[in-house]
Order: sequence, then C-alpha cells, then structure tokens
Amino acid sequence: AQKVTQAQTEISVVEKEDVTLDCVYETRDTTYYLFWYKQPPSGELVFLIRRNSFDEQNEISGRYSWNFQKSTSSFNFTITASQVVDSAVYFCALSVLVNRDDKIIFGKGTRLHILP
Amino acid sequence: NAGVTQTPKFQVLKTGQSMTLQCAQDMNHEYMSWYRQDPGMGLRLIHYSVGAGITDQGEVPNGYNVSRSTTEDFPLRLLSAAPSQTSVYFCASSSPLAGGSYNEQFFGPGTRLTVL
Repeated sequence: AQKVTQAQTEISVVEKEDVTLDCVYETRDTTYYLFWYKQPPSGELVFLIRRNSFDEQNEISGRYSWNFQKSTSSFNFTITASQVVDSAVYFCALSVLVNRDDKIIFGKGTRLHILP
Repeated sequence: NAGVTQTPKFQVLKTGQSMTLQCAQDMNHEYMSWYRQDPGMGLRLIHYSVGAGITDQGEVPNGYNVSRSTTEDFPLRLLSAAPSQTSVYFCASSSPLAGGSYNEQFFGPGTRLTVL
C-alpha cells in the first residue's frame, strides 16, 4: 500500500534560520511521482514541486531546495533563510499508477511557524 | 481559465439533511478528486475519478456519493449529513503524465461545511 509520512506535526523556527521538512514515502511501484504543496493561512493549496522516481537530482528554487533519496524513500524540503511569509502547512504527496487507477496520497502535513 | 471552482464556499446543514457540493474545472483534466481536511488529519481522499463515467473510492468514502457524467464536473453528494462530516472540502483536478500517473493537482478554494 502507498503511504506518506510527515513525522513533524509542527515546527517553529526564528526568521532567517534554515528549516527542513521531512517526508518519507512507501510504495512498491518503480514509477511514481512526489509532490510538495503549501497551504498558507489563507487556506488555498499551492503546488511547489514535482519529482519523478527516475530523477534523483536535487532541485533548488530560490530559498527552497528538495532532497530526493530513493535509498531512504525520502523527499525532504529545506527552506533556507526562512521568512515569516513561509509560515504555512506543507504537504508531501505521492502519486502512483496502480492497476490503471491512480491515486494521489497526501501526508498529514507539517505546520511551520516562522517567528519574527 | 477559471481553473477549479467550488460552490458553495460555506454551508451549514442540520443532521440528516442532504446536499451536493459542486466542483467544476475548465482545463480538460481527466483526473478529479475530493478531499476533506480536518485538523491534524491532513488531506484525506474521499472519492476520485480518472475520467467521465469512472469513479472510485478513496480512504474515507462512507457517507458520500460522486458521479462524473462530464469531464468538467465532479459533484460530491452528502446523502444524510452527520456532525462527523463537518470539515473543509477540497476538489482538485490533474492531467496525466506520459508513462502513467498524474501531474500536480490544481485545487479549488474549498468549501467549509458545518453539520449541526
């Protein structure tokens, strides 16, 4: 069965600190996709990144970076020099194709507080 | 493009009432899904559809029905509302990726439902 675990329920850091959000996934499929979404206090869900199972290259986008490691089934998200606007709930998600019926499974989310 | 639209934004029901949450997308996406978001529970998949005429159950389907008569619309029906269905409901859509699985999801703004 597919599963996404975000063990950190809530994290608080002081502005300008770096912070890493963990995501561990489980799947038997060899082809899958991983995603991160952000949900700011306003409530909408915003797509951040997609990564497929064949591409283990890390990715950097401004202050955001993602570390994908198949050996540990992890897809961690790091925010460098955090800002108050980064305060949000962050969700990791997994998409696989199972018997031609795809499901997209979300973790329970990590609530990130950036303190001024 | 309007993206994914949901109506209503807010709804209060009495126990036992029925209602339909509307969801529509104008991106010609094959995949559509409904999630509920409860505090500490993340996003839980209720029902999903991989195309018109095809629906399937997610993690928490009990008490909800869906249908997909067109590519654009994916309504969620509460047959007999219960206080346990008080939640925020999100509809999402996605397009397929080459080789299977689905791309990032576009989410609607959500419907906040209270059942008294």
